[in-house]
Amino acid sequence: AQKITQTQPGMFVQEKEAVTLDCTYDTSDQSYGLFWYKQPSSGEMIFLIYQGSYDEQNATEGRYSLNFQKARKSANLVISASQLGDSAMYFCAMTSEGGYSTLTFGKGTMLLVSP
Amino acid sequence: EAGVTQFPSHSVIEKGQTVTLRCDPISGHDNLYWYRRVMGKEIKFLLHFVKESKQDESGMPNNRFLAERTGGTYSTLKVQPAELEDSGVYFCASSIRSGRDYEQYFGPGTRLTVT
Repeated sequence: AQKITQTQPGMFVQEKEAVTLDCTYDTSDQSYGLFWYKQPSSGEMIFLIYQGSYDEQNATEGRYSLNFQKARKSANLVISASQLGDSAMYFCAMTSEGGYSTLTFGKGTMLLVSP
Repeated sequence: EAGVTQFPSHSVIEKGQTVTLRCDPISGHDNLYWYRRVMGKEIKFLLHFVKESKQDESGMPNNRFLAERTGGTYSTLKVQPAELEDSGVYFCASSIRSGRDYEQYFGPGTRLTVT
């Protein structure tokens, strides 16, 4: 069974600052994928970034980067230069080879960006 | 290209009634997933279709839930009879392929309230 833990129910950051959202995972699979999704107040889930378990380089997508530490089983999301539009709920999720790509989600972290 | 659409966006029904949720995936996406988020809890997987076949329905809570995907296009999720604990947001997602690496595109969700 897989498990995702997001320990920060809420985070506050000022505009233009960087913020790290924590995510740890637990799995017995050797091969898995890690995802971050953003859910703004409008409700849709927006894919942000993906990291494969065998990828040696940390994934980056614009202002988003995933700090992947395999030995620690952590996959933290780093948002650089926060913008007001980054205020949203953020979900960490994972898939595995044996799960037919079913996503297992964490409880989410609410990020609020202030001017 | 149209994204994943879901109908209705909100539904309020009484306990014991029947509700049918609809999901239209992105055109050409053979994989369709249903997820549910009950308030305060993680988003949980319900089931996965590959074309019209159920690949994995291990997350379906009980036999009051029936999912179909006629002709491998849109999908419906029927709850009959609805119970109070069925309240939550039901998300549909689609992907072009299954597997750990493939991004799932989510719809905006249907918020179901059972009173």
